Amino acid sequence: GENVEQHPSTLSVQEGDSAVIKCTYSDSASNYFPWYKQELGKRPQLIIDIRSNVGEKKDQRIAVTLNKTAKHFSLHITETQPEDSAVYFCAATYGGYQKVTFGTGTKLQVIP
Amino acid sequence: DTGVSQDPRHKITKRGQNVTFRCDPISEHNRLYWYRQTLGQGPEFLTYFQNEAQLEKSRLLSDRFSAERPKGSFSTLEIQRTEQGDSAMYLCASSSTSTGSYEQYFGPGTRLTVT
Repeated sequence: GENVEQHPSTLSVQEGDSAVIKCTYSDSASNYFPWYKQELGKRPQLIIDIRSNVGEKKDQRIAVTLNKTAKHFSLHITETQPEDSAVYFCAATYGGYQKVTFGTGTKLQVIP
Repeated sequence: DTGVSQDPRHKITKRGQNVTFRCDPISEHNRLYWYRQTLGQGPEFLTYFQNEAQLEKSRLLSDRFSAERPKGSFSTLEIQRTEQGDSAMYLCASSSTSTGSYEQYFGPGTRLTVT
């Protein structure tokens, strides 16, 4: 089955700096890669996703890159703000409507 | 429709008791998923449905766990003879195969504590 590894497990940045979270996946058949943000005590919410036919996707301060050959994908947050503080999960799945395999999460702390 | 809802939000039970959780997906979402999340970990897949058909079950789902979606709308997850290791957040999510979006929308979860 699919295995998703995520690094780092914790990340502290100064407000305004950039944050990068990296993930690797094991199943070359995976073709959909969502990123979820989970604030303390809240439900996971999708912040950005990418399909395998695209190498990069950007939405305002958030971008995701995908390297299918290396089976790596990364989340980039620029101009970080205190409200970006949360746990971020990368995930992978095949087909889009199937079960999703999540990484172990990155706790991001943005220091004002 | 305000999103996926789950009931109860919290459940404390004694070891050996049975518990049942309910999930109401976004209306007209034909796919419904159950995940389990323990502290400091990402959600782990348990099972999912297309309408009323259960399409896949994880090996994590022992014989003590059963899930149903009898009319293709709400779903229930039952745990029989609960064990302390069952303590976790149980998350439900739903999606639609007709919109072209793969997004799974999560509910607020049911936090189970087995004493």
